Amino acid sequence: NAGVTQTPKFRVLKTGQSMTLLCAQDMNHEYMYWYRQDPGMGLRLIHYSVGEGTTAKGEVPDGYNVSRLKKQNFLLGLESAAPSQTSVYFCASTPDRQETQYFGPGTRLLVL
Amino acid sequence: SQQGEEDPQALSIQEGENATMNCSYKTSINNLQWYRQNSGRGLVHLILIRSNEREKHSGRLRVTLDTSKKSSSLLITASRAADTASYFCAYSGNTPLVFGKGTRLSVIA
Repeated sequence: NAGVTQTPKFRVLKTGQSMTLLCAQDMNHEYMYWYRQDPGMGLRLIHYSVGEGTTAKGEVPDGYNVSRLKKQNFLLGLESAAPSQTSVYFCASTPDRQETQYFGPGTRLLVL
Repeated sequence: SQQGEEDPQALSIQEGENATMNCSYKTSINNLQWYRQNSGRGLVHLILIRSNEREKHSGRLRVTLDTSKKSSSLLITASRAADTASYFCAYSGNTPLVFGKGTRLSVIA
């Protein structure tokens, strides 16, 4: 039981490049979340999903897109990366939106 | 922003002392959770307290919740160097979980 995994662990992009971050969970959770963490800002919600095929915007969705084609996977896309998107990205999942969230190890993204 | 606030932002104590962190929030909640984050790692859930509970214990952790003041506190007793980490509160109401900005705890051996 791997829990929540994220790939890649670290990536460097040039401004304007695109990439996709993958989150996978093996706990059959309905809810999945993408956060970004910046120094002094805590975690801010980018997008989330309440089930396969559904997505919704969080607090800071601009510049990101997501897809949840399979229940176990939640993808975060950056179509045209900007330096302001340099951050650490965390994925989390939970069986119920009110309950404990289980976090992945994070992806460090540097946009030059 | 609905983001909660932790107080203090940073705390440094000696091993064996108690550490207290506070969290304030802005909306009605269903529950409040505390998470721990070691440097460079993902968050790990510590404890969840529901809105109809006032106090909860888990090992060396004690959490209180005062819904009238919209505040919670996390007490770590007999701290150890391994408790050095950042601690976040997160609360759940009608919106997805909202996280505070965290308290950085340093426990000096």
